[in-house]
Amino acid sequence: GEDVEQSLFLSVREGDSSVINCTYTDSSSTYLYWYKQEPGAGLQLLTYIFSNMDMKQDQRLTVLLNKKDKHLSLRIADTQTGDSAIYFCAERGSNSGYALNFGKGTSLLVTP
Amino acid sequence: DAGVIQSPRHEVTEMGQEVTLRCKPISGHNSLFWYRQTMMRGLELLIYFNNNVPIDDSGMPEDRFSAKMPNASFSTLKIQPSEPRDSAVYFCASRGAVNTEAFFGQGTRLTVV
Repeated sequence: GEDVEQSLFLSVREGDSSVINCTYTDSSSTYLYWYKQEPGAGLQLLTYIFSNMDMKQDQRLTVLLNKKDKHLSLRIADTQTGDSAIYFCAERGSNSGYALNFGKGTSLLVTP
Repeated sequence: DAGVIQSPRHEVTEMGQEVTLRCKPISGHNSLFWYRQTMMRGLELLIYFNNNVPIDDSGMPEDRFSAKMPNASFSTLKIQPSEPRDSAVYFCASRGAVNTEAFFGQGTRLTVV
């Protein structure tokens, strides 16, 4: 199947910005998503971007999409300890049958 | 709405036993997805249904796994017989229209000993 790749770990200090990167291979991807998973919980949608956009901002979250390079990033401004979680990048396109295809997740640790 | 409801939250069973995981999607949603999460493989799509019909089951690992959706408000994922390598967290998700968000349940943590 199509691949979605993310780095596995990221550690930042409280108050700094976090940038989580993701690459994907499905050129038919129409929507790209960022989900957050806290310990023992399900996945919660943080934000998504349509493939004809290159940037979306939502409060502390900024999503950048480089469709040519198939690269997606999530920037969290003023990262807080409550942002510590696993962040999943996901794409949806015709090659995945319109189901979501997830990366393995990036564990974000925010230290005081 | 209470969201996607999965049961049980935790299941411990012995190898060889049958395991049934249950999911109640959000009312009015017409797509339902079963995912499996492990440390090694991340989140894998097992199967998804649209209007109660299985659309893609290519992610189901082997014949020991089966899924049903007898009506719009209920789905099951069955493993028979279970094996230790089936130990994982199994998530159910549902979605309304195609261009909308998929909502996830809290997951069922399955341990096969």
